[in-house]
Amino acid sequence: NAGVMQNPRHLVRRRGQEARLRCSPMKGHSHVYWYRQLPEEGLKFMVYLQKENIIDESGMPKERFSAEFPKEGPSILRIQQVVRGDSAAYFCASLGQAKETQYFGPGTRLLVL
Amino acid sequence: GESVGLHLPTLSVQEGDNSIINCAYSNSASDYFIWYKQESGKGPQFIIDIRSNMDKRQGQRVTVLLNKTVKHLSLQIAATQPGDSAVYFCAENPGNQFYFGTGTSLTVIP
Repeated sequence: NAGVMQNPRHLVRRRGQEARLRCSPMKGHSHVYWYRQLPEEGLKFMVYLQKENIIDESGMPKERFSAEFPKEGPSILRIQQVVRGDSAAYFCASLGQAKETQYFGPGTRLLVL
Repeated sequence: GESVGLHLPTLSVQEGDNSIINCAYSNSASDYFIWYKQESGKGPQFIIDIRSNMDKRQGQRVTVLLNKTVKHLSLQIAATQPGDSAVYFCAENPGNQFYFGTGTSLTVIP
């Protein structure tokens, strides 16, 4: 986990609000993955980004969810109009090149009231 | 979707014994596999990886075995310690995506 930063670590939102989750990859890494994890379940792929480019977003819900990885700054996963079913742990992972090891951040635990 | 499954959801071992955690994968195109350890409240931690051109790879106290014929992956932990207690996930990488299994919870009994 060393080097991959996620904030906030915990986020509480009321239904209908927006949640913004940030991920700063390891230094030198230009690839970021976002995953969602429900309690006692595995990680579900959401989106794969390179800087300024979405490579694969097949795991993202079609509505309310979006992700970006700008040239400067962290990658952001945005959830609009959150619902209780969005409550989960969201992890990002970074890697330098494809087919290399992913290194995970500590995750953001989102709770929707 | 992909199917990466684990044969046993929970595993209890005595401290000092060896642990074996198994994983079945479904995509014959997968050419890269990783084992992760996840402790409660933390992100997954890389343990060891293996590419499809190999059958076995060893690390410190851990060994990963890959059987491409039956699409099976295993993680062996030697001399299991209390600190090894965690959930272990295998992941396969057939393309852009990484597919994770549901995990095996390992409990080490002192």
